[in-house]
Amino acid sequence: SSELTQDPAVSVALGQTVRITCQGDSLRNYHATWYQQRPGQAPVLVFYGNNNRPSGIPDRFSGSSSGNTVSLTITGAQAEDEADYYCNSRDSSGNYLIFGGGTKLTVL
Amino acid sequence: EVQLVQSGAEVKKPGESLQISCKGSGYSFTRYWIGWVRQKSGKGLEWMGIIYPGDSDTTYSPSFQGQVTISADKSVSAAYLHLTSLKASDTAIYFCVRSYTNSWDLIEIWGQGTQVTVSS
Repeated sequence: SSELTQDPAVSVALGQTVRITCQGDSLRNYHATWYQQRPGQAPVLVFYGNNNRPSGIPDRFSGSSSGNTVSLTITGAQAEDEADYYCNSRDSSGNYLIFGGGTKLTVL
Repeated sequence: EVQLVQSGAEVKKPGESLQISCKGSGYSFTRYWIGWVRQKSGKGLEWMGIIYPGDSDTTYSPSFQGQVTISADKSVSAAYLHLTSLKASDTAIYFCVRSYTNSWDLIEIWGQGTQVTVSS
């Protein structure tokens, strides 16, 4: 299929660890990218590929991949991490990009 | 500083046309892909297509093929999204995006977004 599936909402207690997942057949063949979008702002790249975090992104953000599932893990979630998170990768044809539906992260 | 600066908000009537601009600065404009992403209010991100300003190589998402036109003018370091026969369902924020190096499938930089409202 050419879809990326994310849980619509996830919550985490302040300072705890949360994993946000993204599933799709194309993820068996192509790397995923993760974006954070705070309300009223443009998305920001937070993690990409196997193990790449852009400059300026806290090291509490990490990523992993297994089979058709990729995950973004936030270790020690902070209040400012409350946002929507989107995964992104190529579709099954490899010719186009697609986004997951997004996960709204609430930090309690 | 690498930046993508988009044109301002637009209010259009159904059936009208619209062009949104995206000006890149702080980098070599012709060496990175520029793409467009749509976001309807309260909804997710939708990839529309990309262009390589160096040679105007363009790819459209099947969902947007024939509905929009993406172009670029490297002389002014700007990319454009052209929408025709606007409908209320085109109301959305449109983001221009830049690739990471020359990897078309990795979006690194986002413009600030352009709100487009289509209403009679």
